[in-house]
This record gives sequence, structure tokens and C-alpha cells, in this order.
Amino acid sequence: GAVVSQHPSRVICKSGTSVKIECRSLDFQATTMFWYRQFPKQSLMLMATSNEGSKATYEQGVEKDKFLINHASLTLSTLTVTSAHPEDSSFYICSALPNGEADEKLFFGSGTQLSVL
Amino acid sequence: RKEVEQDPGPFNVPEGATVAFNCTYSNSASQSFFWYRQDCRKEPKLLMSVYSSGNEDGRFTAQLNRASQYISLLIRDSKLSDSATYLCVVNQAGTALIFGKGTTLSVSS
Repeated sequence: GAVVSQHPSRVICKSGTSVKIECRSLDFQATTMFWYRQFPKQSLMLMATSNEGSKATYEQGVEKDKFLINHASLTLSTLTVTSAHPEDSSFYICSALPNGEADEKLFFGSGTQLSVL
Repeated sequence: RKEVEQDPGPFNVPEGATVAFNCTYSNSASQSFFWYRQDCRKEPKLLMSVYSSGNEDGRFTAQLNRASQYISLLIRDSKLSDSATYLCVVNQAGTALIFGKGTTLSVSS
């Protein structure tokens, strides 16, 4: 089946550094990818919709200058957490919808646990 | 009001029990409905789609009531391996999935 590779799976960094998370569809093309964030015992909250070749669409309350999204190809979207702070510590997960497929064909990456010290 | 609301639980049941989860959604324009399963710090995995006519997959039965904007999941003959968080998910076509907070199930022997 289709696979979405998300890397790294775990990051521990110092406050003020930037962290890049990659989301790659391995055997399909995805014009649209989604980035979610999940705090402990909370639901997955949509951060932004990443569109290949155009600007990402951010959800209300998500700072676009802090969470930079680049979707430069049909198989890769990256999320960069700039100047990370302890409150950014969370589980970040991407999902990708193969072009032309129905919504239940959405595939998720395995997630990135970010810990900012 | 949150878009998707679920009873967070936890539901603690013995093996073999039948357990039901409920979910309500606020957006009447929602078109697709799903139940996902998420294990601790792992990605969510699709359990089943939910249709107005109701659908069954082995021990799992899902139902949708559009008029009441209500979705349910019934698990029969619970197994230890069913222990997880069950996420109620809705969306409109072509948009991102909206997740409920999840209901935690713990099945014990």
C-alpha cells in the first residue's frame, strides 16, 4: 500500500533553534498534504494545508512565519519550526492524499515527536 | 462549540464485552465520516468509514445519523488488542480531516 515517510521521528533541540520535518510520499503523488499537531491527550489539530507549487493555507491561530511550509514537489512537503520554544514541544504528523483518490485513502506519516528544552 | 465532540473515557472493559462510543459533529455540511484508531504516539489508522445506512466490519459496527449529527461505533467481543484511542473524524470533500479528541478504550483480561 501507499506509504508516507516522515522524518525525523524524534527531535530534541535547544530553545531558539529551527527544526525541519520532512513528509514524503513514497509511491504516489500528492498535490495536497496536511500538517497536524497533537498535544498530550488532545486531538490532532490541523495546522495547515500544504499545496504543491503554491502557498500553504494556515489555520486560524497558527503563525505562518513560525511554521514554514514548503511543498516544492508532488512528493515532498516540509515543515520548519523556526526559533522553537518549549511550548512548541508536541507530536507533529503529516498526511497526504494521493491525487484523484477519495478521502478515505488519506495516508499518514508516522509522526515526529519534538521536544524543545 | 467544538466541531467534533467525543466522550474521552477512559472506557475500561473486560475481554468479551461490548462497548459503544458516541460522537457528535457541529458542521451540517460535513460529508464524510470515519472512525480512526490511534495507538500511543503513533499515527492514526483508518478503522472504517461510516455510511448513513450503517456498516459492519467483523466485530465493529458504525452508524451515522445525519439529522442528529451523531456517529457511533460499536465493538463486540472486545479483545485485548482493541485497547487504543478511537477517533471520530469528519470532513467535507477535498478538505482536511477534522478529528475528535478521541475516546480511550482499555480492555483487560
